[in-house]
Amino acid sequence: DAGVTQSPTHLIKTRGQQVTLRCSPKSGHDTVSWYQQALGQGPQFIFQYYEEEERQRGNFPDRFSGHQFPNYSSELNVNALLLGDSALYLCASSWGQGDSPLHFGNGTRLTVT
Amino acid sequence: AQSVTQLGSHVSVSEGALVLLRCNYSSSVPPYLFWYVQYPNQGLQLLLKYTSAATLVKGINGFEAEFKKSETSFHLTKPSAHMSDAAEYFCAVSVDRGSTLGRLYFGRGTQLTVWP
Repeated sequence: DAGVTQSPTHLIKTRGQQVTLRCSPKSGHDTVSWYQQALGQGPQFIFQYYEEEERQRGNFPDRFSGHQFPNYSSELNVNALLLGDSALYLCASSWGQGDSPLHFGNGTRLTVT
Repeated sequence: AQSVTQLGSHVSVSEGALVLLRCNYSSSVPPYLFWYVQYPNQGLQLLLKYTSAATLVKGINGFEAEFKKSETSFHLTKPSAHMSDAAEYFCAVSVDRGSTLGRLYFGRGTQLTVWP
């Protein structure tokens, strides 16, 4: 049973560029949440997708956008990259019905130079 | 507003000693509480969760935590540390339910070092 998978594992981008990160949820899960974890910090909630809609959003600018596909996989897009966007981006999945806890992927390490 | 405070960014114990990682939370409504562990270059793994059932929660790898409403605390303990317990530990709180459960507020983490 595959867990949450994220791609790529590492990414280096230049300031001002755009990036797309991908996530496949754990089998049986239909909800995907994205988190940003800066070095030495706890993860911070970006947004959550359920039934292909953004259900909740954290305190992140509109440069951060996402999408969920009919197969429940998800993408995180970041436009106009800033140096401060350098972080580990974590995807977490859960089952939308009931209080299912989150299962996290290993993350994508984004470095902006 | 919800928030989590983890007291002590670094905790060091000897192998076989008691592990105690402290977590205090702030929440305007009854919370769900979680402890996650993160090993280097990996994502977060759920250790245990409190969802308003028993106040003493047992998790994986011998860890347990006790919800104390009067103290707004959810400290994580393990009677005997093992070398493999060395990792970063995060406490998290959520007030969401059902399909919107997913917005967790995390503490800044506690790095646990275990000495031989």
